[in-house]
Amino acid sequence: AQKITQTQPGMFVQEKEAVTLDCTYDTSDPSYGLFWYKQPSSGEMIFLIYQGSYDQQNATEGRYSLNFQKARKSANLVISASQLGDSAMYFCAMRANFGNEKLTFGTGTRLTIIP
Amino acid sequence: NAGVTQTPKFQVLKTGQSMTLQCAQDMNHEYMSWYRQDPGMGLRLIHYSVGAGITDQGEVPNGYNVSRSTTEDFPLRLLSAAPSQTSVYFCASSRLAGGNTDTQYFGPGTRLTVL
Repeated sequence: AQKITQTQPGMFVQEKEAVTLDCTYDTSDPSYGLFWYKQPSSGEMIFLIYQGSYDQQNATEGRYSLNFQKARKSANLVISASQLGDSAMYFCAMRANFGNEKLTFGTGTRLTIIP
Repeated sequence: NAGVTQTPKFQVLKTGQSMTLQCAQDMNHEYMSWYRQDPGMGLRLIHYSVGAGITDQGEVPNGYNVSRSTTEDFPLRLLSAAPSQTSVYFCASSRLAGGNTDTQYFGPGTRLTVL
């Protein structure tokens, strides 16, 4: 069974500062994928970034990067130069690869950017 | 290209009523799924399908039925609604991964209240 743990229910960050959202995972699958989604107050789920378990480099997408530490089973999301529009819920999720599409989600972190 | 669409956006039911939440995608995705989102619990998988005629249970299937007669549509049926089914429901779709990086695309969600 897979499990995702997000230990920060809420965070407050000053605008323009960098922020790290924590995510640890547990799985016995040898190959898996890790995702981060953003859910603004409007409710939609927006895909941000993906990291494969065999990827050699940490994933980056614009201001988002994923700090992947496989031995520690962590996949933290780093947002550089935070903006007011980054205020939202953030979910870490995991999927086993090779035909298993089911996503397991963490409980989320509510990020609030302070002007 | 509409992506994943869900209807209705909002619904109020009385205990014991039945209804169907509609989900459709126009991306020719094989995989479709239903999640429910409750406060403090992230998203949990209800049912999923890897193709027309094939469905399976997720983490919280009780009280819900699904069918997949076409690639495009994946309706979720509540046979006898209960207050515990008050939640936000998300439909998602993706290609079958087979190890690739495809994320799941989410619909806008349906907010259901059962009185």
